[in-house]
Amino acid sequence: DGGITQSPKYLFRKEGQNVTLSCEQNLNHDAMYWYRQDPGQGLRLIYYSQIVNDFQKGDIAEGYSVSREKKESFPLTVTSAQKNPTAFYLCASSPGGRGREQYFGPGTRLTVT
Amino acid sequence: QKEVEQDPGPLSVPEGAIVSLNCTYSNSAFQYFMWYRQYSRKGPELLMYTYSSGNKEDGRFTAQVDKSSKYISLFIRDSQPSDSATYLCAPLGTSYDKVIFGPGTSLSVIP
Repeated sequence: DGGITQSPKYLFRKEGQNVTLSCEQNLNHDAMYWYRQDPGQGLRLIYYSQIVNDFQKGDIAEGYSVSREKKESFPLTVTSAQKNPTAFYLCASSPGGRGREQYFGPGTRLTVT
Repeated sequence: QKEVEQDPGPLSVPEGAIVSLNCTYSNSAFQYFMWYRQYSRKGPELLMYTYSSGNKEDGRFTAQVDKSSKYISLFIRDSQPSDSATYLCAPLGTSYDKVIFGPGTSLSVIP
């Protein structure tokens, strides 16, 4: 089956620890995205990558880092510098640069205490 | 003013009703308009998208865009309990394919 996988589904961390969220796709899509979703708010773009070894900051990149070493993978690291890391994190991909056809993974719910 | 606004609901309708979900936006440069459906604790899934003003139909779903009033609608005919979800409107900006997501409207279809 083609699709996007995110792991784990739930993640718990202590404040001050860095944590890495996994995102893998086998759709052969060029572009990948990371969003954050908080209750009552729309999805907010953290980082995006249109090709391997290249990525750009989105609207709320502070406290996050990414890498894009392989076309299939786009991991997100939530660092201790992120002030409010508890949220639902969503990874998406799209063919080419067609941001209008974004396919989402199931999400990772991160709780930091 | 937020770039994209939606009534958060919740909107509750009986099974079989016609549902109208609405969205307004502020940036006249938007050209593509998407609707996503998101079930609780799941990732959004793309329902359909339209380009510029006009209507687009896909089964029980019809998307309508009025660029002159910056108003987007999604109509669901013969609504089913399985349509119970949050619906996100998402216009596409013109810079680097950035999509702006609305906060979503929660819909509940009662059997």
